[in-house]
Amino acid sequence: KAGVTQTPRYLIKTRGQQVTLSCSPISGHRSVSWYQQTPGQGLQFLFEYFSETQRNKGNFPGRFSGRQFSNSRSEMNVSTLELGDSALYLCASSFGRLVFGGKGTDTQYFGPGTRLTVL
Amino acid sequence: AQRVTQPEKLLSVFKGAPVELKCNYSYSGSPELFWYVQYSRQRLQLLLRHISRESIKGFTADLNKGETSFHLKKPFAQEEDSAMYYCALAVNTDKLIFGTGTRLQVFP
Repeated sequence: KAGVTQTPRYLIKTRGQQVTLSCSPISGHRSVSWYQQTPGQGLQFLFEYFSETQRNKGNFPGRFSGRQFSNSRSEMNVSTLELGDSALYLCASSFGRLVFGGKGTDTQYFGPGTRLTVL
Repeated sequence: AQRVTQPEKLLSVFKGAPVELKCNYSYSGSPELFWYVQYSRQRLQLLLRHISRESIKGFTADLNKGETSFHLKKPFAQEEDSAMYYCALAVNTDKLIFGTGTRLQVFP
């Protein structure tokens, strides 16, 4: 089975621009979660999409948005880029919902990440 | 507040020495905890979860609710254990919260 793929792998943008990142989950997986990884803050949850609906959201401003398509592929968009948005953006897929309301957590498989640099 | 704390940014040991990577959590609900590992130039991957009570690559972790800890242990470190280790907490209905990670360096 092919793993989680993310495109592009590297991206350089300038402040004020917007960017779209793409994530293709493992075949058959329906949940895609996005994370931001920075040296200072570590891994921070952005949001989870399941069945084309955003299910959970972390503490990020509205400039961060996403969507999921019927084939479970997901895109993340960041508008009005700021220098602090420079980070490695990881997506992860799982078969079911990531967290089942306390009844268990599905196993996530991570992609290689997209490294975004904002100048 | 929900929080995962990994107090050590870097842990250096020699091959064959015991290893303990510390993780403390703050959560009012029933905790579900994980350890993830990222080897150099590889993807982040799940190492183990407390509900499975499993041992992976010689690593074990016991959930101590009294001390709100989930420390990762291995009796004899190997050079191939050198990696970044993240402790994570599943929040009841929402998401995974990760600690800031501990880099383990195992010297020959």
